[in-house]
Amino acid sequence: EVQLAQSGAEVKKPGESLTISCKGSGYSFTTHWIGWVRQRPGKGLEWMGIIYPGDSDARYSPSFQGQVTMSVDKSVNTAYLQWNTLKAPDTAIYYCARLRNNYGPFDYWGQGTRVTVSS
Amino acid sequence: DIQMTQSPSSLSASVGDRVTITCRASQSISNYLNWYQQKPGIAPKLLISSASFLQSGVTSRFSGSGSGTDFTLTINSLQPEDSATYYCQQSYSDLFSFGPGTKVEIK
Repeated sequence: EVQLAQSGAEVKKPGESLTISCKGSGYSFTTHWIGWVRQRPGKGLEWMGIIYPGDSDARYSPSFQGQVTMSVDKSVNTAYLQWNTLKAPDTAIYYCARLRNNYGPFDYWGQGTRVTVSS
Repeated sequence: DIQMTQSPSSLSASVGDRVTITCRASQSISNYLNWYQQKPGIAPKLLISSASFLQSGVTSRFSGSGSGTDFTLTINSLQPEDSATYYCQQSYSDLFSFGPGTKVEIK
């Protein structure tokens, strides 16, 4: 069974750094892109970027380029999303999702990681 | 970037009604259009891929159509469990983008 297990909720202060994770299981982790999606409170889904675990090739949405960093550690089948300097507007739920194929949908989703940034 | 729009932004319908949600892309995306359902507090669920391909395990009350720039999601015989927000998403460009969502409520 394909599963994406995300790390737990985080509460941080503005200016702090943070890395959240997404561990894949039940499939070949290195052959499917992993995407990240932001959902601010009461708002819609925003696509942040995708990363290919096989070679760490990453594509960012222009809205998130330079704001976050995606990475993977294929030895532990885990993708990461990192912030160096958190801001209050980063408060959101962050989902990872598996891309079925190059032009395909996001077919499996993690349960989401809630990030709260507040002083 | 490809922009996605949806209409309506919300709707209220009765059990048994037929509901149609429209999604439009700012340029042709062939049939690289996917539909997701999201209920409060839960991750989105893929309903339809490639504009009209119903995912395994999804009720046949859902159907999708369209190509190019205009797409529709139809829910036949609306049920209480269909209360959710529905998002379209294009996968034509590797700068994937979602529509703003359509909230479906049951009267």
